[in-house]
Amino acid sequence: GAGVSQSPRYKVAKRGQDVALRCDPISGHVSLFWYQQALGQGPEFLTYFQNEAQLDKSGLPSDRFFAERPEGSVSTLKIQRTQQEDSAVYLCASSFSGSGYTFGSGTRLTVV
Amino acid sequence: QQQVKQSPQSLIVQKGGISIINCAYENTAFDYFPWYQQFPGKGPALLIAIRPDVSEKKEGRFTISFNKSAKQFSLHIMDSQPGDSATYFCAASRANQGGKLIFGQGTELSVKP
Repeated sequence: GAGVSQSPRYKVAKRGQDVALRCDPISGHVSLFWYQQALGQGPEFLTYFQNEAQLDKSGLPSDRFFAERPEGSVSTLKIQRTQQEDSAVYLCASSFSGSGYTFGSGTRLTVV
Repeated sequence: QQQVKQSPQSLIVQKGGISIINCAYENTAFDYFPWYQQFPGKGPALLIAIRPDVSEKKEGRFTISFNKSAKQFSLHIMDSQPGDSATYFCAASRANQGGKLIFGQGTELSVKP
């Protein structure tokens, strides 16, 4: 597609519920990143894929967070047993070379 | 530890004026410094970027000034327009980290007509 597509755009989850957030990167983009953006803050790195390989997951806040990109294209960020502090916008970005990447519009997750 | 510090937190500028946003970084291994513009409900969009081998880069009304010795860089928006009202983020990355960006806290710019 023309841009990075994320779904759903909005997600309300009850505390303790599992959620899955999807990212469709720009076709042919090798690198894919997930960021978490709290209200009024800059995005914070979560994890990075090059094709299907997860090369850096140092930003994942806990073992409740899990990301995958099994075929080197679509990626899913899964959060298990959601907590209120997980409420944020989750941004996906992709790039061909690792710099100058394109962000999606994000998924706004609200945990109630 | 905040590796990239951005100021001011908010900025109000009159139409036609110059908007200046500053960032300071700590890690001398950073070698790529982009600025992103974000509108409400949208993801950040790359505005302009610089590498430390140059001191200034200009694209249209947007200029990055880079001071390697001071570990500072700034964004200048000339002839600011109401349509420039958005949140601006500076960022930094290292080549050997695959493009992982460390963002500043953001500056909310409001350009008054």
